[in-house]
Amino acid sequence: GAVVSQHPSWVICKSGTSVKIECRSLDFQATTMFWYRQFPKQSLMLMATSNEGSKATYEQGVEKDKFLINHASLTLSTLTVTSAHPEDSSFYICSASPSDRTGVTDTQYFGPGTRLTVL
Amino acid sequence: AQSVSQHNHHVILSEAASLELGCNYSYGGTVNLFWYVQYPGQHLQLLLKYFSGDPLVKGIKGFEAEFIKSKFSFNLRKPSVQWSDTAEYFCAVKGAWGNTPLVFGKGTRLSVIA
Repeated sequence: GAVVSQHPSWVICKSGTSVKIECRSLDFQATTMFWYRQFPKQSLMLMATSNEGSKATYEQGVEKDKFLINHASLTLSTLTVTSAHPEDSSFYICSASPSDRTGVTDTQYFGPGTRLTVL
Repeated sequence: AQSVSQHNHHVILSEAASLELGCNYSYGGTVNLFWYVQYPGQHLQLLLKYFSGDPLVKGIKGFEAEFIKSKFSFNLRKPSVQWSDTAEYFCAVKGAWGNTPLVFGKGTRLSVIA
């Protein structure tokens, strides 16, 4: 099946620093990837839709200048948390879906997530 | 507004008991429906999905779900749970066309006791 990887799986950083999280589709191309955030014991909340070669689409309430998304290729999207603060500590998960030319999409496959802890 | 409602926050069952987790959705247009499972410390895994056709879909590990369009429901069932089914279960919906994101329910925690 389709595999999505994330790197790193766990990162601890000091307040004020920036952290980059990578999301890769390993065996398929994805023009669109999604970034979710999951707080402890809660559901996944969509943060943004990452589009290859164009700007990301952010959900209401998500600061685009704080959560920078770059979808540089059909297999890689990156999320950079800029000037991280303790309230940014969370579990960040990406997903990707292979799609055919007719627009019918397959299942979304999820990465294993990245746990960010900001001290 | 698009939303998914999972009725049970936490379900506790004994091994061999039958399971049914409720899921209702609100979404305009044709939908694709999913159940994902998240075992402790692990990432989301797809249990089953409904795109079209037979509304009763079978997934991995003996799970099945039934899409009832008139009730906007997609309940998850398993006839006999095992201790290893202890996990968080998420129902999700997306539009059937285009690369749209999933809308998740809040999840149901299942605890299976021996």
